[in-house]
Amino acid sequence: GAVVSQHPSWVICKSGTSVKIECRSLDFQATTMFWYRQFPKQSLMLMATSNEGSKATYEQGVEKDKFLINHASLTLSTLTVTSAHPEDSSFYICSVWRTYNEQFFGPGTRLTVL
Amino acid sequence: SQQGEEDPQALSIQEGENATMNCSYKTSINNLQWYRQNSGRGLVHLILIRSNEREKHSGRLRVTLDTSKKSSSLLITASRAADTASYFCATEEGAQKLVFGQGTRLTINP
Repeated sequence: GAVVSQHPSWVICKSGTSVKIECRSLDFQATTMFWYRQFPKQSLMLMATSNEGSKATYEQGVEKDKFLINHASLTLSTLTVTSAHPEDSSFYICSVWRTYNEQFFGPGTRLTVL
Repeated sequence: SQQGEEDPQALSIQEGENATMNCSYKTSINNLQWYRQNSGRGLVHLILIRSNEREKHSGRLRVTLDTSKKSSSLLITASRAADTASYFCATEEGAQKLVFGQGTRLTINP
């Protein structure tokens, strides 16, 4: 099956800095990837749909200028949290939709903003 | 938006017992999926049940779907310590986007 990796697995940064998270589809060319955010002991919330070669589609309430998504190739999507603040601390998970109803999730990236 | 409500939010049972988790949703669906998440990890797909199915089995997992009540249940039989995790139901909200329930945190005590 498709394997999805994320890098880094965890990151700690100072408030005001930017952090880039990578999501790679290791054995499948994905035109679409998804980014989710999960706060402690809560469910996953879809943030945006990453589209290869075009602009990402953001969910309502997600600031596109704060969460920059770049899907430059069929195997890589990046999420950059710009000017991160403590409230951005969360678990970020990407996913790849391979075929109908078959979605694979990355292992997640834990972001802690001090 | 959160489609599903899961019940209970937390469940603690002894190893070997059965665990039942419930999920309710609000809109019409084509299918419903269940995922497992170990602490601090990504999600693992467990099972998918289509709207025209009422019950589905996979190993020790049994999923039911009642579209008239807009609800689903996940039964794990003969639980093991390794089943300790959070379990989420998810429905598809158009264009491959999944909407997850709040999840049930399951703890299996040895």
